Amino acid sequence: ETGVTQSPTHLIKTRGQQVTLRCSSQSGHNTVSWYQQALGQGPQFIFQYYREEENGRGNFPPRFSGLQFPNYSSELNVNALELDDSALYLCASSVEGVNLAKNIQYFGAGTRLSVL
Amino acid sequence: AQSVTQLGSHVSVSEGALVLLRCNYSSSVPPYLFWYVQYPNQGLQLLLKYTSAATLVKGINGFEAEFKKSETSFHLTKPSAHMSDAAEYFCAVSGATNKLIFGTGTLLAVQP
Repeated sequence: ETGVTQSPTHLIKTRGQQVTLRCSSQSGHNTVSWYQQALGQGPQFIFQYYREEENGRGNFPPRFSGLQFPNYSSELNVNALELDDSALYLCASSVEGVNLAKNIQYFGAGTRLSVL
Repeated sequence: AQSVTQLGSHVSVSEGALVLLRCNYSSSVPPYLFWYVQYPNQGLQLLLKYTSAATLVKGINGFEAEFKKSETSFHLTKPSAHMSDAAEYFCAVSGATNKLIFGTGTLLAVQP
C-alpha cells in the first residue's frame, strides 16, 4: 500500500471523446508523475508536475495535459481520444527538492482506459 | 540519453531455483537504477534502487541486484524462487531528473 490512489479504476470511452483521470498523492509528497503503460510494454513517462507547474514532459502530444492542485493531487486530461490511447495510466508521487539518491516514486494501482 | 534493455520477456523457473532477470542500461550521466515489480491488476512496487552507495543492492522479498559499470548491467537475482514471486518485473533508469525510463519488462513464472 503506497498511499497513492487513482480513480476511476476502469474507464471505457469512444474515439474522439475526452477523459479525466485523477490521482491523490501520498501524504507529504509534492510531485506527481504520470505514465502510460500499453499492453505488454513498460510504462512511458508522460509528464511531471511540481508545485502546480509542469516539470518535464515525455514524447506525448499536447492533447495530453495535466493539472496539479494546491493539495498536490493531480489530474490527467486526454482530449480527442484515439484507439492507441487504450492503456493503463499510472500516477506516481514523490518529493522533489531532496537528494535524488533518496528520491523514490511511489505508484498507484492505475486507471485502465479502453478506447473503442 | 538513457535507455534500458531487459533480455527475456518471459522467464520460467522452478520453485526453489535461482531467479536471474537481466537488465542492461545506457546512460550519459551516472545513473540511478531501479527494479520494480508489478502484480496482476496492480501498480508498480519498488524492489530496490541503486544510488552509487554500494554496487550490491539488497531489496525487499529477498531480491538483490549488482551494478556492474563495465558491463552496463544491473541484473536482479533471488537465490530461491517462491510461488509468490510470479509477477512482471521492470528495470528502470533515471539520471539528473526524476523521470523514470523503463524497460519492456520480464514476466516471471514460477513452476511448482
